[in-house]
Amino acid sequence: ETGVTQSPTHLIKTRGQQVTLRCSSQSGHNTVSWYQQALGQGPQFIFQYYREEENGRGNFPPRFSGLQFPNYSSELNVNALELDDSALYLCASSPGGPTDTQYFGPGTRLTVL
Amino acid sequence: DQQVKQNSPSLSVQEGRISILNCDYTNSMFDYFLWYKKYPAEGPTFLISISSIKDKNEDGRFTVFLNKSAKHLSLHIVPSQPGDSAVYFCAAKGDSRGSNYKLTFGKGTLLTVNP
Repeated sequence: ETGVTQSPTHLIKTRGQQVTLRCSSQSGHNTVSWYQQALGQGPQFIFQYYREEENGRGNFPPRFSGLQFPNYSSELNVNALELDDSALYLCASSPGGPTDTQYFGPGTRLTVL
Repeated sequence: DQQVKQNSPSLSVQEGRISILNCDYTNSMFDYFLWYKKYPAEGPTFLISISSIKDKNEDGRFTVFLNKSAKHLSLHIVPSQPGDSAVYFCAAKGDSRGSNYKLTFGKGTLLTVNP
């Protein structure tokens, strides 16, 4: 039990729409990372937030954005959804800072039609 | 380009036998490696890790071996149990400021342990 929760579990959107996914980390975990896992692939790093500031970003366009809040929750926002955005979105929190072991939530399955 | 490669999409073993999952990497800047296990409808669960200054790390039934010169690591599970059936991901991170916080994953290997 990692204590990382995500909502919603599943989501269906249409192309061009916007979506917000949510993650709640364990108390004291000041780092959250987001990953996209397409079917048959391993998770791909989107970005990381540390103490409410973006700490690093993977190879994703600016329409992927995030926020981290003081209460250890965070959001992933995706604008102008494309069909290829259909994937499992995972958040992971770290208790000891950006380089510490990452503990994953169950993910949100996003389907874009 | 796939910097972390798990070339076996699946592996099937008998209960009680050894499971060996393999992982290769191409980026020589990687210096810390992790294995995660994933059940359907759950997020990846951290299993075991190894730093590049070591060549072996054990935790109960799980042992990870690292061959830095070959850029190869393996996860050994002994003895294998049916509950070990899951997808196993190999992940790596670098040592430099720009890469020591993000994990690069392989595509995973589906392990099936038959009773």
